[in-house]
Amino acid sequence: EDKVVQSPLSLVVHEGDTVTLNCSYEVTNFRSLLWYKQEKKAPTFLFMLTSSGIEKKSGRLSSILDKKELSSILNITATQTGDSAIYLCAVDVSVRFGAGTRLTVKP
Amino acid sequence: ETGVTQSPTHLIKTRGQQVTLRCSSQSGHNTVSWYQQALGQGPQFIFQYYREEENGRGNFPPRFSGLQFPNYSSELNVNALELDDSALYLCASSLRDTRNTEAFFGQGTRLTVV
Repeated sequence: EDKVVQSPLSLVVHEGDTVTLNCSYEVTNFRSLLWYKQEKKAPTFLFMLTSSGIEKKSGRLSSILDKKELSSILNITATQTGDSAIYLCAVDVSVRFGAGTRLTVKP
Repeated sequence: ETGVTQSPTHLIKTRGQQVTLRCSSQSGHNTVSWYQQALGQGPQFIFQYYREEENGRGNFPPRFSGLQFPNYSSELNVNALELDDSALYLCASSLRDTRNTEAFFGQGTRLTVV
């Protein structure tokens, strides 16, 4: 059965810390992996990854896909309180989501 | 602001009733996906519509049905509501043609079944 597993499920850090969120997947027809940030209701798009080993970067956030290991990581450097959210990864063009990582950044 | 709008934003229904949720997709998008998100969980894929045809379905019973209209807006219908149907229902629109694109989400409909 296809599945997407995120870890950790929950993380509490202080402002300025660097965090790494993990997403591993087992799907029969992988096309892409996407990262979203969900603060209140609507998840907002962060990155789409289709090629292994190519880092996508946006400000303090970056992500990379490892197709050999069937996984991806999302890094956030110099965290701020505004980074507090649930981070979701999805595969197969957003068909299958992981449970998310709830990140809390304390002042 | 993604351009994807859902209505209503909140809804309370009684067990056994039927409900229709609506989603208007972002301009230029031809695909709409629906998700159910229970508290503390990631979104669960219900189904996807592409050019008015169902194009994939998750593990949901037949009482969850949908429609997509020629303008690519969509409806999610749930019959015989159960208490466990209480959740946030999200729709996402995307452009599915020759390449993958990201999905943009609406703000969701919070359904409470009592």
